[in-house]
Amino acid sequence: AQTVTQSQPEMSVQEAETVTLSCTYDTSESNYYLFWYKQPPSRQMILVIRQEAYKQQNATENRFSVNFQKAAKSFSLKISDSQLGDTAMYFCAFMNPSANSKLTFGKGITLSVRP
Amino acid sequence: DAGVTQSPTHLIKTRGQQVTLRCSPKSGHDTVSWYQQALGQGPQFIFQYYEEEERQRGNFPDRFSGHQFPNYSSELNVNALLLGDSALYLCASSLGTGDNEQFFGPGTRLTVL
Repeated sequence: AQTVTQSQPEMSVQEAETVTLSCTYDTSESNYYLFWYKQPPSRQMILVIRQEAYKQQNATENRFSVNFQKAAKSFSLKISDSQLGDTAMYFCAFMNPSANSKLTFGKGITLSVRP
Repeated sequence: DAGVTQSPTHLIKTRGQQVTLRCSPKSGHDTVSWYQQALGQGPQFIFQYYEEEERQRGNFPDRFSGHQFPNYSSELNVNALLLGDSALYLCASSLGTGDNEQFFGPGTRLTVL
């Protein structure tokens, strides 16, 4: 079974600064996908970024980028130029595509962006 | 294009009752997955429906059951409600069962008293 661990329950960052959210996972699979999801107070879970395990290049989406370390089973999210709208819960998630796209989530981290 | 919709938004039930939650997938999607998110926790996978059949199930008791209709909408039923069933129930839809992105609905907040 796969597990996803987010050990930081809360983080705070000043607007326009950079923050990194940590995630580690455990799996015996070689082919998988990793995700970061954002859940604002509105509760709608929104995909932030996705990484395929077979790709060595780290994924980037505008101000969001990941540091994927496959050997260390680490998958951190970097948010640059933080904005007030980034305030939300962030979840790291794992998916084995051969397991019918079931997502395994971490406990999440609450990120607060201070003005 | 409407995204994933869920109803109702909020629901209050008492222990022992039964509840039905509904989900309409994003247009063009044929797969629906259900997740339970307890307060302050990450979502936990309940089950997934594809072609009107349950394809995969998480570690939830038989009190949790579901259904998918020919138009791909889905229902989640929970019988004999327990206090511990209080949670946000999320529905996610996708196209097929591979690595396609899952789109989430806003959830139904269930409170069991």
